Amino acid sequence: EAGVAQSPRYKIIEKRQSVAFWCNPISGHATLYWYQQILGQGPKLLIQFQNNGVVDDSQLPKDRFSAERLKGVDSTLKIQPAKLEDSAVYLCASSPSLRAGGINTGELFFGEGSRLTVL
Amino acid sequence: GNSVTQMEGPVTLSEEAFLTINCTYTATGYPSLFWYVQYPGEGLQLLLKATKADDKGSNKGFEATYRKETTSFHLEKGSVQVSDSAVYFCALKANFGNEKLTFGTGTRLTIIP
Repeated sequence: EAGVAQSPRYKIIEKRQSVAFWCNPISGHATLYWYQQILGQGPKLLIQFQNNGVVDDSQLPKDRFSAERLKGVDSTLKIQPAKLEDSAVYLCASSPSLRAGGINTGELFFGEGSRLTVL
Repeated sequence: GNSVTQMEGPVTLSEEAFLTINCTYTATGYPSLFWYVQYPGEGLQLLLKATKADDKGSNKGFEATYRKETTSFHLEKGSVQVSDSAVYFCALKANFGNEKLTFGTGTRLTIIP
């Protein structure tokens, strides 16, 4: 079974530029998450999708971050304009969901992450 | 809100030493508890979990017991190996509302031969 795919793995940009990250979840997983992991901290949830609807985006800085999940499959996270404090690893994860009829063990399946450096 | 407090790192041990990484939590109700591990160059992966009080999760020689009375979920291993070097994250999931995970800050473990 293929895992969660993310790209690019690494990105270096200057502040005020824009960047986009892509995620393809495990096939059949209804729930998709984007987490931000700043160096030395635990992952923090930015946004959670159930199919193509947003379940939780309470910690997404909406003035600069946006995310979409077209057709309830893959997802894109965009930052525009980037700030120095956005330097982090952006993790995508997916899980099956009880609401989709799947068996939810509570386990999230993570991609390898996209490391962003803002100069 | 929900939160997880994890033992500060980094932790350095010799091979075959006993490992404990402390984790305590604050949550409404009875959350599910998890330990995730991140090996160098890899994504986070589930190590073990427990879904109710007094449950013991175990995997790869690691164990953790869900202690409701002390709101703890400490990770233990009797004899660590060099291959256990990684960053370990304690996490919780509320059993109502949405299904997001709340993570601790992580503990970097290095095992020296």
